[in-house]
Amino acid sequence: RKEVEQDPGPFNVPEGATVAFNCTYSNSASQSFFWYRQDCRKEPKLLMSVYSSGNEDGRFTAQLNRASQYISLLIRDSKLSDSATYLCVVNSMNRDDKIIFGKGTRLHILP
Amino acid sequence: ETGVTQSPTHLIKTRGQQVTLRCSSQSGHNTVSWYQQALGQGPQFIFQYYREEENGRGNFPPRFSGLQFPNYSSELNVNALELDDSALYLCASSLSRASTDTQYFGPGTRLTVL
Repeated sequence: RKEVEQDPGPFNVPEGATVAFNCTYSNSASQSFFWYRQDCRKEPKLLMSVYSSGNEDGRFTAQLNRASQYISLLIRDSKLSDSATYLCVVNSMNRDDKIIFGKGTRLHILP
Repeated sequence: ETGVTQSPTHLIKTRGQQVTLRCSSQSGHNTVSWYQQALGQGPQFIFQYYREEENGRGNFPPRFSGLQFPNYSSELNVNALELDDSALYLCASSLSRASTDTQYFGPGTRLTVL
């Protein structure tokens, strides 16, 4: 099993809809979780950290399910500008506490 | 912008050559991590430098090496380039080496090996 797995998509979603992605991780000892956003041919940028109790930032909600070892990202009222690749990031307790990126989920918001 | 800069932005090399990529970290950050991102993939961790010492390495061969300078800027060197080394090379600086710290990425160097 890969350390961090994501559905590569693409998810094609009409503007205004709600979309959700999941990301599974293999190491139950992982403690740090993040969602990064990467626009085409640009660098990744932190979207939000994921806390144990779940957290919300505007239209974005992140949740952690330790029992099933996955994190999720929910985007409400999607905008055209949300079109990007969303990278799931988990710290690897196997490798000196470094972070591991998933391959990313591509999201296309359709007008 | 993150304040992390990388040079050059693009580079074309041939197989067997050597390349040096440079990264200036954000002010106040003492940790720099390097990643390789192939097309359609997520960034793969190469290594991290903390206060001029290597602090962890991913699954990359020894021909990938690096340095960090007293001002915390960093270099990535790749010897004996192979076609598969073609990728976007990203550096990220962070406040410390803790995995809980946000990584601030530079714009990357796009390397093409012919």
